[in-house]
Amino acid sequence: GAGVSQSPSNKVTEKGKDVELRCDPISGHTALYWYRQSLGQGLEFLIYFQGNSAPDKSGLPSDRFSAERTGGSVSTLTIQRTQQEDSAVYLCASSPSSGGETQYFGPGTRLLVL
Amino acid sequence: AQSVSQHNHHVILSEAASLELGCNYSYGGTVNLFWYVQYPGQHLQLLLKYFSGDPLVKGIKGFEAEFIKSKFSFNLRKPSVQWSDTAEYFCAVTPPFNTDKLIFGTGTRLQVFP
Repeated sequence: GAGVSQSPSNKVTEKGKDVELRCDPISGHTALYWYRQSLGQGLEFLIYFQGNSAPDKSGLPSDRFSAERTGGSVSTLTIQRTQQEDSAVYLCASSPSSGGETQYFGPGTRLLVL
Repeated sequence: AQSVSQHNHHVILSEAASLELGCNYSYGGTVNLFWYVQYPGQHLQLLLKYFSGDPLVKGIKGFEAEFIKSKFSFNLRKPSVQWSDTAEYFCAVTPPFNTDKLIFGTGTRLQVFP
């Protein structure tokens, strides 16, 4: 079946602009995760959604970052007032349930803030 | 700070050489352990995982990993690498206090030359 999809694949924006990144998880997967992969920092956890529960936002680096998941499926990660240090690949993953299940990753969105 | 360490940042091998990539974690208690691989231009894929049972885990493409609890290690091995194994390899752990959050190592870049 279809894997995790993300859009756009690449995004170039100017410092100070807002951006929205989209993730479509694998159908039926109740858990959805966002990570950031940046040069020198490796992969960092950002936020996690499980069903209708309140999300785990513990990895969000600042209040400029937010995410929502509508209808338990599609998720949008929003970065407000982008900064150059936000440049990275933003990865989305989903898993059938929570509790250490294997996470399946999408191709990522490469964000460049000029 | 609690973390996941991959001490080999860049490994260069010739085809047919044996491979061992180190992974150490610093969490006490029960953890789930993963190795993910990212081939050039592709998204992260699961190589293998350990939750419980036999500490020697076999994954795809001839890879295996051994969980040694006393050493807090989960090293990845392959007896004979191929050019197609050129990729970046990430060790990841779900810590005991939050089994929904993958904590990644910084990755090891493997280059295999024919």
